[in-house]
Amino acid sequence: DTGVSQDPRHKITKRGQNVTFRCDPISEHNRLYWYRQTLGQGPEFLTYFQNEAQLEKSRLLSDRFSAERPKGSFSTLEIQRTEQGDSAMYLCASTVAGTSASYEQYFGPGTRLTVT
Amino acid sequence: GDSVTQMEGPVTLSEEACLTINCTYTATGYPSLFWYVQYPGEGLQLLLKATKADDKGSNKGFEATYRKETTSFHLEKGSVQVSDSAVYFCALRGRNDMRFGAGTRLTVKP
Repeated sequence: DTGVSQDPRHKITKRGQNVTFRCDPISEHNRLYWYRQTLGQGPEFLTYFQNEAQLEKSRLLSDRFSAERPKGSFSTLEIQRTEQGDSAMYLCASTVAGTSASYEQYFGPGTRLTVT
Repeated sequence: GDSVTQMEGPVTLSEEACLTINCTYTATGYPSLFWYVQYPGEGLQLLLKATKADDKGSNKGFEATYRKETTSFHLEKGSVQVSDSAVYFCALRGRNDMRFGAGTRLTVKP
């Protein structure tokens, strides 16, 4: 098992452009999370999926953000009309829901977004 | 809502010194508690966890005890190494997500 992977690792974009990030969870994990981490802060929850269903969204997830997990495997996070305030590290995590293992979330390396 | 307050850093220690990073939480009920570590350029890795009061989590020489009476989960290590230099995050498991502290950067000098 290769763990949670994210692509790209770094993204630099100009304000107003759209960006899309991808997360591939650990293969048998049915729950997938997105977090945002700004400099000097801990990760903040954005949204999560159980299989292909998006079950919860944080108020941090504005209308410009959309996440999908179409086949219950990989997930994408899209940010439309990026703003400088969107600059952050976007982290993906996965786990197996409904077991003792669901106490632990396994994190990917993150995608660092810089909006210029 | 549920939250975690973590000792502010940065913390700089000499090799073989003792480490304590304080963490307190506010939560309804008794959430599971975690310490994650983030090495430079890498994602968060679970360091240790405790799922109920009085549980002690331990890994790689680090320990933390779930103290219900003081709502604390302090991270300790008796003798730190240069390779322990990283950012440490205390976290609790909320209803559907993890709530993290702001992180404490530890630098260990030889």
